[in-house]
Amino acid sequence: KQEVTQIPAALSVPEGENLVLNCSFTDSAIYNLQWFRQDPGKGLTSLLLIQSSQREQTSGRLNASLDKSSGRSTLYIAASQPGDSATYLCAVVQGGSEKLVFGKGTKLTVNP
Amino acid sequence: DTGVSQDPRHKITKRGQNVTFRCDPISEHNRLYWYRQTLGQGPEFLTYFQNEAQLEKSRLLSDRFSAERPKGSFSTLEIQRTEQGDSAMYLCASSPRQFGLKNIQYFGAGTRLSVL
Repeated sequence: KQEVTQIPAALSVPEGENLVLNCSFTDSAIYNLQWFRQDPGKGLTSLLLIQSSQREQTSGRLNASLDKSSGRSTLYIAASQPGDSATYLCAVVQGGSEKLVFGKGTKLTVNP
Repeated sequence: DTGVSQDPRHKITKRGQNVTFRCDPISEHNRLYWYRQTLGQGPEFLTYFQNEAQLEKSRLLSDRFSAERPKGSFSTLEIQRTEQGDSAMYLCASSPRQFGLKNIQYFGAGTRLSVL
């Protein structure tokens, strides 16, 4: 059974810092990995999707990497802003399935 | 394209009542998913449709839960005889026809259910 773990569970940083969020998964036979953002009481917004054959994806100040063999992904946020405050969720799609398996998320607070 | 729409946004019900939620996916998305999220947890998969066919169901979907997508467009999720443990955010997502490079799941804002 696939399990996704995110570390840390919560993170508080001052504005302007670069930061890294970590995600690990137990079964490397994934089809892709997605990073989502969730604001309080809201739905999920897809940030980046990495196919199993890719190593990284970039969008603006966000960069996500994938090391499938070791079962790890990182989300790098450059020059953090208070508007980045949210919960960040990592999810994988297992090969042969279409469901997303999520971690519990990292709650990020960026202080002005 | 207005995104994935869910209705209602909030539902408060008494234990033992039946509730029904609706999801309207993005136009022409043939895949539709239901997830459940409890406080402090990531979403958990419930079920998945390709067009009108329900192709995958989680063990979380007990016999009190039923989901339909009768014409391959909108979907409904019904919970019968609600229990306090059913209190959660119910999220719907859809994805495009082509499974592959662009298989991003787009999520709605969710329906928050509170069972008293």
